[in-house]
Amino acid sequence: QKEVEQNSGPLSVPEGAIASLNCTYSDRGSQSFFWYRQYSGKSPELIMSIYSNGDKEDGRFTAQLNKASQYVSLLIRDSQPSDSATYLCAVTPLFTGGGNKLTFGTGTQLKVEL
Amino acid sequence: DTAVSQTPKYLVTQMGNDKSIKCEQNLGHDTMYWYKQDSKKFLKIMFSYNNKELIINETVPNRFSPKSPDKAHLNLHINSLELGDSAVYFCASSQGAGVSYEQYFGPGTRLTVT
Repeated sequence: QKEVEQNSGPLSVPEGAIASLNCTYSDRGSQSFFWYRQYSGKSPELIMSIYSNGDKEDGRFTAQLNKASQYVSLLIRDSQPSDSATYLCAVTPLFTGGGNKLTFGTGTQLKVEL
Repeated sequence: DTAVSQTPKYLVTQMGNDKSIKCEQNLGHDTMYWYKQDSKKFLKIMFSYNNKELIINETVPNRFSPKSPDKAHLNLHINSLELGDSAVYFCASSQGAGVSYEQYFGPGTRLTVT
């Protein structure tokens, strides 16, 4: 079982729709959760961080965390073509041996169509 | 102003050579990281330094040697390069080493070993 799992996609949504990106993780004691956006040929860019159960909103983005289900999601409202990218879910496991040892999923490719 | 910078951006070299990648951050962060993103876009942590001290050392061949001369700089030296070392190497930094600190990535160095 992979530590952090994401559907590779591509996930295609029409412009203006809500894009829903999902991520599950295996370590029940995971502590911190992050969503990164990566355009082709570019570096990962931090979008959201979430640490406790519930929703966290920032502009058009909402992160949702459910630790009981070991599930974290990212909703993008009013999707724009510029949102087309790969979205990486990253998780900090319970035991890191010191330091923030982010474990990444393989990413979900999002395509926003005109 | 570039927050996390890396040099060089591209590196093409032959098997058996030794090469170095440099990273600098001007964010005033205490913690820096090296990640490797392979051809399948999987991003995996290699090393982390906090205040010039090595705190994360993943299962990486000992041909890879990181060095942190000060808090703002983290270099990666690779000896006896192999074809499998071809990847994009990202440097990242965070304010501290705790699990809640967000990590910010540099632009990456694309290493091609021929």
